[in-house]
Amino acid sequence: QQQVKQSPQSLIVQKGGISIINCAYENTAFDYFPWYQQFPGKGPALLIAIRPDVSEKKEGRFTISFNKSAKQFSLHIMDSQPGDSATYFCAASMAGGGADGLTFGKGTHLIIQP
Amino acid sequence: DAGVIQSPRHEVTEMGQEVTLRCKPISGHDYLFWYRQTMMRGLELLIYFNNNVPIDDSGMPEDRFSAKMPNASFSTLKIQPSEPRDSAVYFCASSPEQWLNEQFFGPGTRLTVL
Repeated sequence: QQQVKQSPQSLIVQKGGISIINCAYENTAFDYFPWYQQFPGKGPALLIAIRPDVSEKKEGRFTISFNKSAKQFSLHIMDSQPGDSATYFCAASMAGGGADGLTFGKGTHLIIQP
Repeated sequence: DAGVIQSPRHEVTEMGQEVTLRCKPISGHDYLFWYRQTMMRGLELLIYFNNNVPIDDSGMPEDRFSAKMPNASFSTLKIQPSEPRDSAVYFCASSPEQWLNEQFFGPGTRLTVL
């Protein structure tokens, strides 16, 4: 069964610190790994995504690290700000393998304390 | 672009009643997805359409759930009869053919079944 396991469920980080959220997957056919950000009362929105041909992707303060052999990937938020407080979902899918929807992790509720 | 539009934003109904949730995808997007979000189960894919045709409904929990997409600009998710355990936030998302894996989510419909 396709699964994506995400941890931690909740995370509190001080302003300026580094937030780290981890995900692990089982299906080796997955080849697209996005992170979605969700604010209260809103739908999830794509934050950053990576394909397994690279080990790291950086966009501003957000970085995805990918370890294909371990089947793990993580989101790092550098210089975390109160505006980053949200729920973060990792996800996985097979980009070239048809039209499957995304398989989401359970989410991490991130709070950045001022 | 107005983004994905969902209605109603909030729905409160009594057990046994029929509930219809509506979605207007982003114009030009060929894929439409229905998700359900709960604290316990996270984001679950219920069904998705490609060019108005249902492709995978394996996530639909029971026969009480049905979804239609009569044209490219409109989809409905119906629950009949509704039960308290159906209480959740239901999201609609759409995706353009060429960027299949980036999904654009609507604001969601919060359903409460009493």
